Amino acid sequence: DSGVTQTPKHLITATGQRVTLRCSPRSGDLSVYWYQQSLDQGLQFLIHYYNGEERAKGNILERFSAQQFPDLHSELNLSSLELGDSALYFCASNGASSYNEQFFGPGTRLTVL
Amino acid sequence: GENVEQHPSTLSVQEGDSAVIKCTYSDSASNYFPWYKQELGKGPQLIIDIRSNVGEKKDQRIAVTLNKTAKHFSLHITETQPEDSAVYFCAASNSGGGADGLTFGKGTHLIIQP
Repeated sequence: DSGVTQTPKHLITATGQRVTLRCSPRSGDLSVYWYQQSLDQGLQFLIHYYNGEERAKGNILERFSAQQFPDLHSELNLSSLELGDSALYFCASNGASSYNEQFFGPGTRLTVL
Repeated sequence: GENVEQHPSTLSVQEGDSAVIKCTYSDSASNYFPWYKQELGKGPQLIIDIRSNVGEKKDQRIAVTLNKTAKHFSLHITETQPEDSAVYFCAASNSGGGADGLTFGKGTHLIIQP
């Protein structure tokens, strides 16, 4: 168990809808990273938040957004969903004491029908 | 941006034998190279990492080597066991500032034959 929690575990929705994925980092970690894992694209970095501020963006679509709250949990919002957004979404956390090591949560499996 | 290539995509070895997975990266500024193990239905688990000021690192049956000149790094697993069966991912990042996410290879499905 990495100490990173993600909810929900599974999410099934329809095209055009909007969903919110939630992540709680390990206790004391200030950084949260979001990744998407799909069969064709593999594991791709989406966005990084540090202590409430956006630090870096990867291959994140404009329809996707994220935020990190004062209690350090983070939410990934996916809107105008398309079939191709079906994937596993992971968050990872990292703290100042663990240099660059990123510890991944169990993921949310999103299915868009 | 960074590009990480990983080979092979599938590796089948006999229990007790060694397994080697290789990765190359493109960005000479990358200086942090972790390896993750992912079991079915779970998130990636960090198993070992190496930084660019080190050529080799070992942790029990697992070792990682890094050749900065050639821009490649490898994972070595000795005395393989059934519980080593999983998908393994290499990754790279430029850890300066700690902002960047990891760039992952496509993964290697390691199968340990009993």
